[in-house]
Amino acid sequence: AQSVTQLDSHVSVSEGTPVLLRCNYSSSYSPSLFWYVQHPNKGLQLLLKYTSAATLVKGINGFEAEFKKSETSFHLTKPSAHMSDAAEYFCVVSERGFQKLVFGTGTRLLVSP
Amino acid sequence: DTGVTQSPTHLIKTRGQQVTLRCSPISGHKSVSWYQQVLGQGPQFIFQYYEKEERGRGNFPDRFSARQFPNYSSELNVNALLLGDSALYLCASSHRDGNQPQHFGDGTRLSIL
Repeated sequence: AQSVTQLDSHVSVSEGTPVLLRCNYSSSYSPSLFWYVQHPNKGLQLLLKYTSAATLVKGINGFEAEFKKSETSFHLTKPSAHMSDAAEYFCVVSERGFQKLVFGTGTRLLVSP
Repeated sequence: DTGVTQSPTHLIKTRGQQVTLRCSPISGHKSVSWYQQVLGQGPQFIFQYYEKEERGRGNFPDRFSARQFPNYSSELNVNALLLGDSALYLCASSHRDGNQPQHFGDGTRLSIL
């Protein structure tokens, strides 16, 4: 069975400082890994996707994530936070070749001026 | 391009009633998936349909059913509503089956009184 653990329920940063959202995964197979963002009262937007190509994945809005098999991690980073980054972030795993997505519990990112 | 559209945006029902939620995928997308997101949690997979056939089912009771139409739109039906069915119901579409990025709609907020 696949699962993801988001290690922080809330992360607070100041505008202009780096962002780190942590995610560990568990999968019996070669996983596909994703990060989605959800703004209040909105659906989910795909930030980036890992599917066994380059281990460092670049996404939209300056976000990137690094797949580390030895650590079973897929942490999301951004060099400089912007106020508009404040939202809920979900780390997601799926079994390669299947559409079922398994979501983590989410990390709420708070950005202060 | 028009994104995934869901209707209605909000719905209020009472216990024991039945509800139908609707989803129109992105043009050209043939796969539709449904997710339930209870407040404060990550989305949970309910169903996936591809080319009008059910391709995956999550751990939900038989009160939940769905179908996909020839134009690839989809309906999610829930019978005998319970208070615990109150949630945001999200629809996602993708171009093909298998390991494809899923694009989410803004969801239908269902409240059970």
